[in-house]
Amino acid sequence: AQSVAQPEDQVNVAEGNPLTVKCTYSVSGNPYLFWYVQYPNRGLQFLLKYITGDNLVKGSYGFEAEFNKSQTSFHLKKPSALVSDSALYFCAVKNSGAGSYQLTFGKGTKLSVIP
Amino acid sequence: DSGVTQTPKHLITATGQRVTLRCSPRSGDLSVYWYQQSLDQGLQFLIHYYNGEERAKGNILERFSAQQFPDLHSELNLSSLELGDSALYFCASSGQGTVTEAFFGQGTRLTVV
Repeated sequence: AQSVAQPEDQVNVAEGNPLTVKCTYSVSGNPYLFWYVQYPNRGLQFLLKYITGDNLVKGSYGFEAEFNKSQTSFHLKKPSALVSDSALYFCAVKNSGAGSYQLTFGKGTKLSVIP
Repeated sequence: DSGVTQTPKHLITATGQRVTLRCSPRSGDLSVYWYQQSLDQGLQFLIHYYNGEERAKGNILERFSAQQFPDLHSELNLSSLELGDSALYFCASSGQGTVTEAFFGQGTRLTVV
């Protein structure tokens, strides 16, 4: 079975400071990893994904994520946080094995960027 | 706009009733997924359909069922509703292959009273 852990329910960061939202995963095969963002009363929006290749993945709105196989982590980062980045962030994993198409999500991390 | 359309946006119904949630996937996407989001359980995968066929089941109750029609739209049927079924229900669609990301609709907020 695959699983995702987001150890922080909430992350607070000052505007202009770098931000990190943590994610660790467990999967039997090779992982496909995703980050999504959810704004209030909205659906989930895709930010970025890691499939293979370079461990640093760049995505939408200036976000990036670093894949670390040895630590089974896929932390989301941004060099300079904006107030508009305040939202709920979800990490998700797919097993690259055949037939595993659905995403398994973490519980989510609420990011608050303080002006 | 993700291109995935869900109706209705809000639904209030009584315990014991039956409701149908509808999802239209992005143009060209053959896969449709249903997820339930609640405060205590987070985002739970319910079921996956691909081109009309059921491909995977997650934590879907027997009172819940889904189908995908020839035009690729999908419906999630929830019956004998209980207070605990109150949640946000999301539909997502994706293209072929496991590496493609899923695109989510805005969800249907179901309130059972």
